[in-house]
Amino acid sequence: KAGVTQTPRYLIKTRGQQVTLSCSPISGHRSVSWYQQTPGQGLQFLFEYFSETQRNKGNFPGRFSGRQFSNSRSEMNVSTLELGDSALYLCASSLASGLVVAKNIQYFGAGTRLSVL
Amino acid sequence: GDSVTQMEGPVTLSEEAFLTINCTYTATGYPSLFWYVQYPGEGLQLLLKATKADDKGSNKGFEATYRKETTSFHLEKGSVQVSDSAVYFCALGGGSNYKLTFGKGTLLTVNP
Repeated sequence: KAGVTQTPRYLIKTRGQQVTLSCSPISGHRSVSWYQQTPGQGLQFLFEYFSETQRNKGNFPGRFSGRQFSNSRSEMNVSTLELGDSALYLCASSLASGLVVAKNIQYFGAGTRLSVL
Repeated sequence: GDSVTQMEGPVTLSEEAFLTINCTYTATGYPSLFWYVQYPGEGLQLLLKATKADDKGSNKGFEATYRKETTSFHLEKGSVQVSDSAVYFCALGGGSNYKLTFGKGTLLTVNP
């Protein structure tokens, strides 16, 4: 079974631009979560999508947005890029979300490393 | 809110040494606890988990026991290998938590 696939693996952008990152979850998984990893702040939760709906959101500005398609694939968009947005963006998928722990174990992709110049 | 504190390291050991990475947590309710590992240039891999108090998670020689009384989930391995060199993250989540809350990570380097 294929794992979580994130594309592209590396991106270089300049300040003010926007960027879209893609995540294909494990087949059958319906929940997709996004995390930002930086040396200073560590791993921080961005948002979670389930059945094409954003169900939860972390403490990030509105420049960070996402969506999920009917096949559970998800995209994350960052507009008006800032230098501080340089990070490794990780996507995680799980079968479901909520109280059943066995179904919400999160499996991570390799990440997209974004550099903002 | 929920939080995870783990020793930040770096930790440097010789091959076959004993490993302990401390992890303590603060949470409401009854979270599940996880250890994830990140090898250079890769994403996170689930190493082991425990879903309730006194559960022991184990995988690839690594073990951790969910201690509710001390709010801890320390990672141990009896004999590390060079291939264990990576960053290890303690995390809590599950139950009513929709997200994982991570510690800062501990860099482990194992020398031959």
